[in-house]
Amino acid sequence: DGGITQSPKYLFRKEGQNVTLSCEQNLNHDAMYWYRQDPGQGLRLIYYSQIVNDFQKGDIAEGYSVSREKKESFPLTVTSAQKNPTAFYLCASSNGRLVDSGNTIYFGEGSWLTVV
Amino acid sequence: GIQVEQSPPDLILQEGANSTLRCNFSDSVNNLQWFHQNPWGQLINLFYIPSGTKQNGRLSATTVATERYSLLYISSSQTTDSGVYFCAVDVTTGTASKLTFGTGTRLQVTL
Repeated sequence: DGGITQSPKYLFRKEGQNVTLSCEQNLNHDAMYWYRQDPGQGLRLIYYSQIVNDFQKGDIAEGYSVSREKKESFPLTVTSAQKNPTAFYLCASSNGRLVDSGNTIYFGEGSWLTVV
Repeated sequence: GIQVEQSPPDLILQEGANSTLRCNFSDSVNNLQWFHQNPWGQLINLFYIPSGTKQNGRLSATTVATERYSLLYISSSQTTDSGVYFCAVDVTTGTASKLTFGTGTRLQVTL
């Protein structure tokens, strides 16, 4: 089936550790995104990538890093510099700009990260 | 940056009732989308609606871009409609789209 796969679904991190969240898509989309969602809040953009080997910071990039070595993969690393990482993380992809007719954005099922 | 406000923040309906959710945004946008997040966290796109009115079954949406608001109508609500409804506006740069989300309307439909 075509779609976006995020793993792991649930992850516990000790303070001071880096963790990496995986995001894989088989939709052949050029653009990929990472969003963070806190309880009772909307989604906030962490990083996005328009094409392989290129990515840009979103609104809340501090304490996070990404890579885009392959079109289908966009992993997110939550570093120890992120002071409040406990949240729900959503990966998404789109086939270009959403203002263009026929393009849409698809989300993965999300990953819950808890700091213990 | 652009501000997106949704109302009401919470809504409880009895099955079969109708409702209207509102989204206000502070600046001109390229487009607006409505999403539904189910209780398990999955986000599904409902409408891509930069202007005008669209309908899909029991759901319809209207965006008045000149007045910077959009409305989502749910008719004959069902328990499966429960979840959080988000509107998101598009500030497009390059070949990717940067969506700014509102804080959502949490809907609970009861029997």
